[in-house]
Amino acid sequence: AAGVIQSPRHLIKEKRETATLKCYPIPRHDTVYWYQQGPGQDPQFLISFYEKMQSDKGSIPDRFSAQQFSDYHSELNMSSLELGDSALYFCASIWRGEGSGETQYFGPGTRLLVL
Amino acid sequence: SQQGEEDPQALSIQEGENATMNCSYKTSINNLQWYRQNSGRGLVHLILIRSNEREKHSGRLRVTLDTSKKSSSLLITASRAADTASYFCATEIRRTDKLIFGTGTRLQVFP
Repeated sequence: AAGVIQSPRHLIKEKRETATLKCYPIPRHDTVYWYQQGPGQDPQFLISFYEKMQSDKGSIPDRFSAQQFSDYHSELNMSSLELGDSALYFCASIWRGEGSGETQYFGPGTRLLVL
Repeated sequence: SQQGEEDPQALSIQEGENATMNCSYKTSINNLQWYRQNSGRGLVHLILIRSNEREKHSGRLRVTLDTSKKSSSLLITASRAADTASYFCATEIRRTDKLIFGTGTRLQVFP
């Protein structure tokens, strides 16, 4: 069965650079979530989208922005990168339509290293 | 503040023993989910228990939920070395759909 796809899997950037992370949800899933997991930390919710509209916002810095496109894929744009942005970034998807389940399916993550 | 706290933070056992991890949370939830993560890799969904359920089984996993105490436990029976991983509880907060993760328990199973 198709899973959530994230690209790139690994990314190395310099301070103050920008990065774009992509997430391709499971086909037919209409909701995407982004989570950030720092080294040795638990995942923290950043932002979510339902039907291409932002549905909830967590501890996402103003330097970050995200959107969901017409094909339901999502991109997380990160600007003015800081050393503390080094983390594993997960995307998860779910279908929130009628008869949907409740399990969020996670992608393999993008490991971002800021030097 | 942290929604989920887990204990113990770390647990070391021998193969064949049972492992119990506990999770506490603070607010009303739709459901509680347990995830497994191998050494900085992806999150693997293990089991989901709804707020109106008290116990659920899946293979060697047994999850309980006590909404009056706002706590859950994950029991892994007859553990194997391959169970070595970090285990996170995550709560779906009522009236939202985001997951709030606990601090995680690092389980080490020795052969």
